[in-house]
Amino acid sequence: AQSVTQPDIHITVSEGASLELRCNYSYGATPYLFWYVQSPGQGLQLLLKYFSGDTLVQGIKGFEAEFKRSQSSFNLRKPSVHWSDAAEYFCAVVPSGGYNKLIFGAGTRLAVHP
Amino acid sequence: DSGVTQTPKHLITATGQRVTLRCSPRSGDLSVYWYQQSLDQGLQFLIQYYNGEERAKGNILERFSAQQFPDLHSELNLSSLELGDSALYFCASSLDGAGNGDTQYFGPGTRLTVL
Repeated sequence: AQSVTQPDIHITVSEGASLELRCNYSYGATPYLFWYVQSPGQGLQLLLKYFSGDTLVQGIKGFEAEFKRSQSSFNLRKPSVHWSDAAEYFCAVVPSGGYNKLIFGAGTRLAVHP
Repeated sequence: DSGVTQTPKHLITATGQRVTLRCSPRSGDLSVYWYQQSLDQGLQFLIQYYNGEERAKGNILERFSAQQFPDLHSELNLSSLELGDSALYFCASSLDGAGNGDTQYFGPGTRLTVL
């Protein structure tokens, strides 16, 4: 079945530590890939997206993501986390060749310890 | 600020009632999407409109309907409300929504509470 999986429901890191949030997708063809962030009481903000080309994508707020076709993964990374990064992070896909509807993973809630 | 506006921010109503959620897309965007975020279902796509026409449908209940007006704002109508309809409803907009991964910009959401 087509799906987007974020295996980690909660992650806690210390401020200044590195971060990696995992995302795997299950689609026949490589979909369009996105990472969104939702701060408490806020809407969803796009961090970055991958369509094609260079598999390492740079986004806003110092985030980057790497697309690995062989692993059907699109993991989000940040070298040094700030307290303001505490939020919920959603991986999403738009299946290629279809309509532009986003299919979201369940989300990963990030807590940052001082 | 994404440029997408939604009203109202909060809505509290009773079971069996009907409500209307409103969304204004970013200037220049022709496509509007509605999503529902609930604790048990997560974020789910409901429906997409493009330049006034319905383009794609997701897991939208028959009690729910939407439309996009000539000025491109959209309304989501929820009727015969049930407790399980309590959720955060997001509107998003994009330039054309042609299935090419066109970036969607989200509004702040409307939190619906059904008592």
